[in-house]
Order: sequence, then structure tokens, then C-alpha cells
Amino acid sequence: EVQLVESGGGLVQPGGSLRLSCAASGFTFSSYWMHWVRQAPGKGLVWVSRINSDGSSTSYADSVKGRFTISRDNAKNTLYLQMNSLRAEDTAVYYCAREVASGSSSWFDPWGQGTLVTVSS
Amino acid sequence: DIQMTQSPSSLSASVGDRVTITCRASQSISSYLNWYQQKPGKAPKLLIYAASSLQSGVPSRFSGSGSGTDFTLTISSLQPEDFATYYCQQSYSTLQYTFGQGTKLEIK
Repeated sequence: EVQLVESGGGLVQPGGSLRLSCAASGFTFSSYWMHWVRQAPGKGLVWVSRINSDGSSTSYADSVKGRFTISRDNAKNTLYLQMNSLRAEDTAVYYCAREVASGSSSWFDPWGQGTLVTVSS
Repeated sequence: DIQMTQSPSSLSASVGDRVTITCRASQSISSYLNWYQQKPGKAPKLLIYAASSLQSGVPSRFSGSGSGTDFTLTISSLQPEDFATYYCQQSYSTLQYTFGQGTKLEIK
């Protein structure tokens, strides 16, 4: 079974740091691009970041650029999101998702169950 | 950046109704459009990819259409388990993967 399991969320003070992890199983992790998507309480889905299959290329939403870093360890089948200089507006459930591609089309499937990050003093 | 706008933002309907949700892109995205369903407290689930392809295991009452800037998600006959929030997402730009703001489908 293809599965993604996030961990590392919690309560952090403004200006603090946190590292999220996403453990992948049931598929060849090193063959897929991976993403982080977040959802603030009661709000919609917002794409955060993506990394290509070997980790050589990344992209970020403008709202997190320069503060967040996406990375992966293909030997450990794990995706990471290092979050620095956290702000109250970063409070959200963070999901990891696998990007599936066919031709030039792509989509996110599956998604992990999410991990909650709360930024508050 | 490509902006995605869904309409309506919320919708009340009854079991058995036919429902259509619209998603409009701020520029042409060809058929690089996906639809997801999210229920409260759960992760999003892929319904439709590449504008009109039904994900395996998704009931055939769900369908998608469109290309360019205008897309629709149609549920032909609403079932109780379909009441959820629906999101469109563009994958045309691999630098910024934008979601629509969501459409909450509620029971009338």
C-alpha cells in the first residue's frame, strides 16, 4: 500500500524553527517529485513547496521563500520541510503529497494524513 | 502566478441532485487541471486528473471537463457521502502549483 506519514508538528513560538518529516512506503520514493501543502484552520489548501526526484531542484511559494527549505533523503524514503523564522500565519496542518506524472500532466496522489503546526507565544 | 477561481464558494443541494462546480484559471493551462475532494478532518483525495480523467476507484457519477481557462466538475446524482469541500488545482506551472479557494457542498 502506498502510504505517506507526516510527523514533527507541534507548538512553536514566533521566530522559532521546526522540521517536519514525511515517511514514504509502498512505492519507489526516489522516482517521484514530492510536495508540501498546508491548510490553515478553516481555510483552503495552499501549495508550499516541491522537490524533484533526486533533490536537485526545488521551488517555493512566495510566502515561505527564504524561510522554509524542502529536502529529501532517498536512502531513508523520507521528505523534510525545515521551517525557520516561523510566524503566526504559518499555523496550519501540513500535508505531504506525491506527484504522479503521465506525459506532461501531473497530480497529487496520495496525500499524508497531515501534521499540525501551531505558531503562538 | 496563475490564479485559480472557483464558483460558487458554497452550494446547498439535495441527494439525487446534479451539481456543477466551476474553476477558472487566470491564463490558459491547457488540460493541466485536477480536482480533489476533502472531508472534515481528512486529507484531500484525488477525484479527476488532467481535466477529465477519473481516478481509479472514484465513482462514475463524478466527471470533469474543460480546457484552456474554464473547467467544470459535475456530480450527476449526489449521494450522502459526496457532501464535502472540492478544490481545483493547476499543474501547468511546475514552479507554483495553485489551488482554487474551494467549494463547500452542503446538504439542503
